[in-house]
Amino acid sequence: QVQLQESGPGLVKPSETLSLTCAVSGYSISSGYYWGWIRQPPGKGLEWIGTIYHSGNTDYNPSLKSRVTISVDTSKNQFSLKLKSVTAADTAVYYCATIGRQQLVWLSLDPWGQGTLVTVSS
Amino acid sequence: SYEMTQPPSVSVSPGQTASITCSGDKLGNKYVFWYQQKPGQSPVLVIFEDSKRPSGIPERFSGSNSGNTATLTISGTQAMDEADYYCQAWDSSTALFGGGTKLTVL
Repeated sequence: QVQLQESGPGLVKPSETLSLTCAVSGYSISSGYYWGWIRQPPGKGLEWIGTIYHSGNTDYNPSLKSRVTISVDTSKNQFSLKLKSVTAADTAVYYCATIGRQQLVWLSLDPWGQGTLVTVSS
Repeated sequence: SYEMTQPPSVSVSPGQTASITCSGDKLGNKYVFWYQQKPGQSPVLVIFEDSKRPSGIPERFSGSNSGNTATLTISGTQAMDEADYYCQAWDSSTALFGGGTKLTVL
């Protein structure tokens, strides 16, 4: 059973870089799923940030693409998110999730990590 | 860019049927996924590939998708079903979410 756990600083200063890691357990990150980041500002809806495969191939939300980098570390069975030049608008709960794909068809985001709140404030 | 629209809120009496819609251009040509999110919790997949239920999801949850509208139906709604529900689809390699619907069980 795949389990995911986000970790990282809960407070980031404006203009700095937000960095989070998602540790995967119960499954080898190299075995075939895709892996993604999603965020949810307080009281608002879900926003997809990006997706990565164990090969390092990525897809990013066009609205965030200029500021986002997602990377994978297969030796540690984890993947990471970096979001640079943050502002208060980037304050959100950040989730990581497993993403299915079969024969070029994108599938569900399941399961999700528990999420971690990141606040951007000086 | 592709967008999906959900009603902000839906109310239902216990035991009745709740229907939550998700609208988008030719949405029926895409797979739709539905997630349930209770306060303070992570989203949970309740319907995948339009109408399939993951193991552990009660049979009262069902889904359909045709034309421009996907629908999540909860039959015999229970108090525990009160939550936010999000539809999700893919546009090329971009994951898209509807704005979410708050289901209130009165």
